[in-house]
Amino acid sequence: AQKITQTQPGMFVQEKEAVTLDCTYDTSDQSYGLFWYKQPSSGEMIFLIYQGSYDEQNATEGRYSLNFQKARKSANLVISASQLGDSAMYFCAMREAYNQGGKLIFGQGTELSVKP
Amino acid sequence: DGGITQSPKYLFRKEGQNVTLSCEQNLNHDAMYWYRQDPGQGLRLIYYSQIVNDFQKGDIAEGYSVSREKKESFPLTVTSAQKNPTAFYLCASRGTGGIGNQPQHFGDGTRLSIL
Repeated sequence: AQKITQTQPGMFVQEKEAVTLDCTYDTSDQSYGLFWYKQPSSGEMIFLIYQGSYDEQNATEGRYSLNFQKARKSANLVISASQLGDSAMYFCAMREAYNQGGKLIFGQGTELSVKP
Repeated sequence: DGGITQSPKYLFRKEGQNVTLSCEQNLNHDAMYWYRQDPGQGLRLIYYSQIVNDFQKGDIAEGYSVSREKKESFPLTVTSAQKNPTAFYLCASRGTGGIGNQPQHFGDGTRLSIL
């Protein structure tokens, strides 16, 4: 069965430094998509970045980039130049291309705290 | 602005009572989803709908019911059969065109507690 694992319950980073949040996944499908979401303390889920399994280049969106290592089944989120507003929960999620309804499977999340 | 509106923001349920959480979207999305989030946990899928008048159970559908009579609306009812309803409930929608990279867009959530 497909599964997402985020092994870091909590992370600390100094403001303006880069941080990597880990995500590994398990699937037998060749075609799938990986998503990262940010959840501030207010609760809403904010989409950050997407990586398709056939994408040859790592995805980037502003200060967010995805370190995609397909053979290792990992899709780590890299946040560069951390800001205080980056403090939040971060969730990795996967959607298999042929699953019915486009369902997402979420990891347990990593709580990131940015120190001034 | 286009988006997803969930109401109410906070909801309290008495024992034996059914309550309904509202979810409305004006993004013209075909697919809609309901998730449950417990403290310190990821999201778990309750129900989803790909089209009007059709919906499917997710991983934790027991004690919940939904309807999809309009494209814009996907209300979730937490029935008295759900013995542990205290959680944060998130509604999402997604467009179904294109190559499959469309993300799900989420509402601001409803916090449900038992009185």
